[in-house]
Amino acid sequence: QVQLQQSGAELVKPGSSVKISCKASGYTFTSYDMHWIKQQPGNGLEWIGWIYPGNGNTKYNQKFNGKATLTADKSSSTAYMQLSSLTSEDSAVYFCARGVIRGTGVMDAWGQGASVTVSS
Amino acid sequence: DIVMTQGVLPNPVPSGESASITCRSSKSLVYKDGKTYLNWFLQRPGQSPQLLTYWMSTRASGVSDRFSGSGSGTYFTLKISRVRAEDAGVYYCQQVREYPLTFGSGTKLEIK
Repeated sequence: QVQLQQSGAELVKPGSSVKISCKASGYTFTSYDMHWIKQQPGNGLEWIGWIYPGNGNTKYNQKFNGKATLTADKSSSTAYMQLSSLTSEDSAVYFCARGVIRGTGVMDAWGQGASVTVSS
Repeated sequence: DIVMTQGVLPNPVPSGESASITCRSSKSLVYKDGKTYLNWFLQRPGQSPQLLTYWMSTRASGVSDRFSGSGSGTYFTLKISRVRAEDAGVYYCQQVREYPLTFGSGTKLEIK
């Protein structure tokens, strides 16, 4: 079955960067978009962007331009999101999710979430 | 950006009753292909969101037929028939009509 296994919780200092991973299994990694979504404590969901591992194409929410960078490693079926210049506003749980229908944002499988806490 | 506004439920809902969750978009979600680009998700406490319906009314694989989506271009409803304890959580609507993709703020469902 489709599974997305994300990396563990991170405690990072303001101004630093963090890289979160999302390892996919149970399907052809290069054939589906991988979306990333932010959820702050007690808040709703915010779409960050997607990457198509087949060719590396990306689409970002303009709000996250310069903040998030999406990459993918086809050899290990793993997607990554790097967050830079971290502030307290970046403290959140970050989810990866498979886009089951290309280019449509229909996300049928989600990772368990990776918690990022930004604190000195 | 398209703003998604969700309604509030009169919680708790008695088990076995029906519940309707509403969502409104600031712009029509109907695309030129005739599809309405609106999805619904359920996030149970401590879990990741789960896709329930997409294209407004198409149920995702494995989702119970107690869940049904309907609506027009800007006003949408997710109806849950015969609610059960396992239906408790926060429901989100999401528009995928245009970028950036946006979600509603969520509607909490509690079961009595």
